[in-house]
Amino acid sequence: RKEVEQDPGPFNVPEGATVAFNCTYSNSASQSFFWYRQDCRKEPKLLMSVYSSGNEDGRFTAQLNRASQYISLLIRDSKLSDSATYLCVVHSGNTGKLIFGQGTTLQVKP
Amino acid sequence: DADVTQTPRNRITKTGKRIMLECSQTKGHDRMYWYRQDPGLGLRLIYYSFDVKDINKGEISDGYSVSRQAQAKFSLSLESAIPNQTALYFCATSIGVNYTFGSGTRLTVV
Repeated sequence: RKEVEQDPGPFNVPEGATVAFNCTYSNSASQSFFWYRQDCRKEPKLLMSVYSSGNEDGRFTAQLNRASQYISLLIRDSKLSDSATYLCVVHSGNTGKLIFGQGTTLQVKP
Repeated sequence: DADVTQTPRNRITKTGKRIMLECSQTKGHDRMYWYRQDPGLGLRLIYYSFDVKDINKGEISDGYSVSRQAQAKFSLSLESAIPNQTALYFCATSIGVNYTFGSGTRLTVV
């Protein structure tokens, strides 16, 4: 079983739609959680950290459920520029390493 | 100049050849990493180094070696390249949970 699992998609949505991505992780010792965005053939870039209390950054909302080992990302009012791959990422304080999910591809269409 | 610089950006090499991918950083971070990404997959850790004297294998280290020449430099070598090492390679540095990625090296082994 992979340490971090995501539905690879692709998710094809119209502009203005709301879309949600989910992710599960297997290591209960994981301590920090993130969503990264990756554009085609480019390096991943941090989109936002994820906290148990939930956090919002503009149109993006991230949520962590430690009991279920589940992470989510909600994108409201999708823009064409949101088209990318979204990587769920877990950091283990014990090992000091980032573990990546395989990514979920989003395509926003006019 | 980029904080994390990878060279070359693209490389085509033949099966059996030795190749070195270079990474240098100006972040002043002690921790450096090499990841590989295959189509439709997330990043997988090849090797990592928490300081100049510390080198550790990641989940897919077979067929690779690394050298940490200085705090700022971390190179990845393929001793005898094979076609299934064709992938996108990323170098990264970190302090705490803050990671900076290089722009990637696209390697094709024919």
